[in-house]
Amino acid sequence: GEDVEQSLFLSVREGDSSVINCTYTDSSSTYLYWYKQEPGAGLQLLTYIFSNMDMKQDQRLTVLLNKKDKHLSLRIADTQTGDSAIYFCAVPVGDDKIIFGKGTRLHILP
Amino acid sequence: DAGITQSPRHKVTETGTPVTLRCHQTENHRYMYWYRQDPGHGLRLIHYSYGVKDTDKGEVSDGYSVSRSKTEDFLLTLESATSSQTSVYFCAISERQRDTQYFGPGTRLTVL
Repeated sequence: GEDVEQSLFLSVREGDSSVINCTYTDSSSTYLYWYKQEPGAGLQLLTYIFSNMDMKQDQRLTVLLNKKDKHLSLRIADTQTGDSAIYFCAVPVGDDKIIFGKGTRLHILP
Repeated sequence: DAGITQSPRHKVTETGTPVTLRCHQTENHRYMYWYRQDPGHGLRLIHYSYGVKDTDKGEVSDGYSVSRSKTEDFLLTLESATSSQTSVYFCAISERQRDTQYFGPGTRLTVL
């Protein structure tokens, strides 16, 4: 069946790069998303990539898409304490739904 | 931020009581969604709406019903709350299916 998988935890030292990975079993030809959830808040759209692209860069964020391997990643350069959050990838499937991963909790070490 | 509010933000109730959560949007988006978020399960879709009076089930719809009588409001009802429905509930909206979803701040529900 349709599934989106992410590792649950990632610890990174402040100033280093964080790489959060996501694999999926199926997707529609459209956008794939990364959302960020800070403590006590709802999910906020962080960035997205169109399915015909393999890379998108937006300031400190780089999204890589490997359609052949069905792998999506989010790289955060120069990770800061404010980046501490849960990150969700979200993949449209079929005609009518988006499936969210379980989320990766990013912990920043001093 | 998209104009989405949820009420109440926190609620504690007892098993067997009915509970209604409200989602209100000011964006005039056609699609509205209710999710629950639980540790180890991430976000799971309960129900969604694709227009006034048009709703459909998600993957965890048992024990929940929804109504949408106006574009701006989407209600989630637990007819008889159970402890397994203790969760954080999020409403989301989107203009089109599979489009970017915008989330509300969430409602933390505790069923004792």
